[in-house]
Amino acid sequence: EIVLTQSPGTLSLSPGERATLSCRASQSVSSKYLAWYQQKPGQAPRLLIYGASSRATGIPDRFSGSGSGTDFTLTISRLEPEDFAVYSCLQYGSPYTFGQGTKLEIK
Amino acid sequence: QVQLQESGPGLVKPSETLSLTCTVSGGSISSYYWSWIRQPPGKGLEWIGYIYYSGTANYNPSLKSRVTISVDTSKNQFSLKLTSVTAADTAVYYCARETSLSGDPYFDYWGQGTLVTVSS
Repeated sequence: EIVLTQSPGTLSLSPGERATLSCRASQSVSSKYLAWYQQKPGQAPRLLIYGASSRATGIPDRFSGSGSGTDFTLTISRLEPEDFAVYSCLQYGSPYTFGQGTKLEIK
Repeated sequence: QVQLQESGPGLVKPSETLSLTCTVSGGSISSYYWSWIRQPPGKGLEWIGYIYYSGTANYNPSLKSRVTISVDTSKNQFSLKLTSVTAADTAVYYCARETSLSGDPYFDYWGQGTLVTVSS
């Protein structure tokens, strides 16, 4: 099983700042099989990025994904108030596994 | 617009079987993979397993001995059964559709989630 470790656990930033979230895998993951989700309290996760770097439909271009192998990054270029949420990475190997999440909170 | 809706008991006794159904509307259940995912209160997400519309299933090894996922294409539904539940199975349970665009899989539609509490 591939373990995904996200860092930091909590990230405190202000609107307008840049956020960089990390997802590290215990073994190599195909870039095709790495996605990022955003989750707000009481809501289901929402797809942001698939294939490590492709934005899902309707996702603003301030969200970008990058990385390969064991190191993947989600970047939010300029934080908007609605971006403060929990972000999780997911790899679609067998079995599928999620990272534990990074909470992005307002500083 | 595809919609998924989970249904089933919100309270299950320890050692009993948790049963949930996901009803898909606005689209066909055919030609997709359908997953169950859960999230214990205050914790991260855990994939339980998926089923293809043809009936082929794949489960998380950590739950495989207790999980069965089935599909009813005539009703556009798929279901989850988890046996011998304990308090550790208390979670919000989500159903989700997996799409694969150019070979890149992702969950594009999710149910709203249903909280299942295991308690006597």
